[in-house]
Amino acid sequence: DVQMTQSPSYLAASPGESVSISCKASKSISNNLAWYQEKPGKANKLLIHSGSTLQSGTPSRFSGSGSGTDFTLTIRSLESEDFAVYYCQQYNEYPLTFGSGTKLEIK
Amino acid sequence: EVQLVESGGGLVQPGRSLKLSCAASGFTFSDYNMAWVRQAPKKGLEWVATISYDGSSTYYRDSVKGRFTISRDNAKSTLYLQMDSLRSEDTATYYCARHLGASWYFDYWGQGVMVTVSS
Repeated sequence: DVQMTQSPSYLAASPGESVSISCKASKSISNNLAWYQEKPGKANKLLIHSGSTLQSGTPSRFSGSGSGTDFTLTIRSLESEDFAVYYCQQYNEYPLTFGSGTKLEIK
Repeated sequence: EVQLVESGGGLVQPGRSLKLSCAASGFTFSDYNMAWVRQAPKKGLEWVATISYDGSSTYYRDSVKGRFTISRDNAKSTLYLQMDSLRSEDTATYYCARHLGASWYFDYWGQGVMVTVSS
């Protein structure tokens, strides 16, 4: 199975700041990586797929980069609605696997 | 508007069975591959199973193979997960999710249904 190592597990930042979340795959997954946002009481939201392609409706302050084994989600100019849990997921092969999540909290 | 609404969860004893349903609306259900993903309490997301748009292909994680069966009724726009021989480690919130096209990421998710396996 492809192991997805996500870091940090916890991140505190202030509105207006920029943050980055890392996701490392245990072997190359090309650019077959997606990022999701999880918020209480809401359905999970797809933010980015194919490593760097913004899903329709994702604000442009979100960006994704990387290929192979190393990927990064960057959020610029944090807004209050961005404080949530973020997961990466590889879809290069079965079983589909997720990172362990990053909780982004307001400092 | 795409909607995925899960039902059928609850408390069940170890070794017993439960069947989850996911009612889909707002899109042509028969055009999409579908999946179940779960999340144990205070844990991360874990893919469980995927079924192709026409039901001809299914995929499972090893820990549920032989115990869980994913199926669909395209006429009813409904996805199912039959869970047999349930174990305590199957306790989780189960989400129905839609795959986008021929890719294996998820573009829409339901809000989830809780399954608790305990005596």
